[in-house]
Amino acid sequence: DAGVIQSPRHEVTEMGQEVTLRCKPISGHNSLFWYRQTMMRGLELLIYFNNNVPIDDSGMPEDRFSAKMPNASFSTLKIQPSEPRDSAVYFCASSGGQNQPQHFGDGTRLSIL
Amino acid sequence: KQEVTQIPAALSVPEGENLVLNCSFTDSAIYNLQWFRQDPGKGLTSLLLIQSSQREQTSGRLNASLDKSSGRSTLYIAASQPGDSATYLCAVQRGAGSYQLTFGKGTKLSVIP
Repeated sequence: DAGVIQSPRHEVTEMGQEVTLRCKPISGHNSLFWYRQTMMRGLELLIYFNNNVPIDDSGMPEDRFSAKMPNASFSTLKIQPSEPRDSAVYFCASSGGQNQPQHFGDGTRLSIL
Repeated sequence: KQEVTQIPAALSVPEGENLVLNCSFTDSAIYNLQWFRQDPGKGLTSLLLIQSSQREQTSGRLNASLDKSSGRSTLYIAASQPGDSATYLCAVQRGAGSYQLTFGKGTKLSVIP
């Protein structure tokens, strides 16, 4: 059974460019989470969806960040315009219920030059 | 605001040794506590989930305990192996109705052959 799938695995782009990260959750999971991991701040929740609806986006750092979940099998996290301080590893995770563990993808390593 | 602390940040032990990783949290009103493992360049893998009403969970050589009143959890690894080398993170789920996890920064474990 496929786990959470993220693409791309690595992204290097110049400051000011638009970046789109993609995630396919585990089939049947109704919750999806976007995290950012840095050495300084550790793992931080950016936003999560329940049944495709955004529930809590208080972790989204700025208006430059947006996330969508058009259907149960796909989500995107977009940064426009990107800045060097956005460089981090971005993880997507999904869960089958509130008291179920979250399953993580392998992440997208983003570098903004 | 919930804060999760893991001490030490890094730990090195010889193969075969039993060891304990520590996690503390500031707000005892949690729904569950989860332990994850992260290998370099990979996402997080769920190891154990302890519900707030439970005291411990076991999986193979791993045993996690939870003391909500004191805001502490431990992860016990028996007969450590080089393959156990990874970063171990604990996370607490805020409460019923919220899926948000607050993570510690992890303990990097090295098991020396």
